[in-house]
Amino acid sequence: SQQGEEDPQALSIQEGENATMNCSYKTSINNLQWYRQNSGRGLVHLILIRSNEREKHSGRLRVTLDTSKKSSSLLITASRAADTASYFCATETSGGTSYGKLTFGQGTILTVHP
Amino acid sequence: GAGVSQSPSNKVTEKGKDVELRCDPISGHTALYWYRQSLGQGLEFLIYFQGNSAPDKSGLPSDRFSAERTGGSVSTLTIQRTQQEDSAVYLCASSLQGLAGRMTQYFGPGTRLLVL
Repeated sequence: SQQGEEDPQALSIQEGENATMNCSYKTSINNLQWYRQNSGRGLVHLILIRSNEREKHSGRLRVTLDTSKKSSSLLITASRAADTASYFCATETSGGTSYGKLTFGQGTILTVHP
Repeated sequence: GAGVSQSPSNKVTEKGKDVELRCDPISGHTALYWYRQSLGQGLEFLIYFQGNSAPDKSGLPSDRFSAERTGGSVSTLTIQRTQQEDSAVYLCASSLQGLAGRMTQYFGPGTRLLVL
């Protein structure tokens, strides 16, 4: 099964509202990353949070990480129509030979209505 | 600077034919990854190259899939005797290094493969 599981699968909000997406994983990790994907093509890296960090900010993005619960959340504040996309969490598993291999979740489809 | 590029953007082929997908990573990036994304799904890891080390092929779904990376730069993913279930978007990514991670992966736009 996928390492990362995200919820909700789909989220529909109005412009200006906040959007929160959650990601759970199963194994110990080096870091967790969030990516955005438009139109089913290339992914764009948004933010990386290391396993020893609990919270990180980048512009309107806020990511939290709870390693005891093996979960992370991505908050987008003051959403815009242009934020409409699929959002994926990806984990880099720790232990063994760490190749930087990422395991992706199924993603959350976010729709922001103008 | 230039990002990761992939070609072709789209490929339609008949079942049973072989296809080659190309990836040009960002210059200087030593790590290169191939992923597959089926419609509405997350990304499935296929193969990873890091410098001159032996590639991690653990994600390749069958022996019909192979990949090589020449000169530590350009990579080609080959699918032999394509099947309809091979239809997907194939994404390539590169990063500065893969070992002990913590590096951002930069993705190409992908190749959309359709097997009829």
